[in-house]
Amino acid sequence: GAVVSQHPSWVICKSGTSVKIECRSLDFQATTMFWYRQFPKQSLMLMATSNEGSKATYEQGVEKDKFLINHASLTLSTLTVTSAHPEDSSFYICSARLSGRVTGELFFGEGSRLTVL
Amino acid sequence: AQKVTQAQTEISVVEKEDVTLDCVYETRDTTYYLFWYKQPPSGELVFLIRRNSFDEQNEISGRYSWNFQKSTSSFNFTITASQVVDSAVYFCALSDSSTSGTYKYIFGTGTRLKVLA
Repeated sequence: GAVVSQHPSWVICKSGTSVKIECRSLDFQATTMFWYRQFPKQSLMLMATSNEGSKATYEQGVEKDKFLINHASLTLSTLTVTSAHPEDSSFYICSARLSGRVTGELFFGEGSRLTVL
Repeated sequence: AQKVTQAQTEISVVEKEDVTLDCVYETRDTTYYLFWYKQPPSGELVFLIRRNSFDEQNEISGRYSWNFQKSTSSFNFTITASQVVDSAVYFCALSDSSTSGTYKYIFGTGTRLKVLA
């Protein structure tokens, strides 16, 4: 149980286009999901906290208009990288926590590797 | 402020050797949670263990063991009789509510473990 799935796993796009990444909790409900960004050989940096039915909470330094997050249901959160540029190329990972378990462990998706040409 | 330090950037061992990965954390909260995750080359983070701040009992799970010491703010991870399949990046993470009331993760920079045959 507690499976989180991301789609797509790999995406290559041209500069200036927008890319949407989906994060789904397959067998549980997740009131809260988290989006991370990971550069090669570096740690995971929290971008934002996604709450079902409300606006996401962004970490300092993360552009809200650049990285649009929508958490429309208890099993789906999406991250849209708008007007992507090469510097947005990265590994994006989502995670989810079982609803009601505010201190529980996070379950991570497989990650989505974005390459912007 | 919260902080997680994994001083060992990369460790190489020969198969069957024991190896300990260090993790030191900082937090002002009295209630907090510590985690270890494994990130194999495929990229997905695999949950290994969760420990709350009130439980200092060490834990063993097969070849894995964890040593939690509040006095030194450390949560070290030992792999006994390492195997090639243990090769991965290991992340230590801290979760507390000190910043926003949401139990977010703060990750260490990770330790890359290479187990040589």
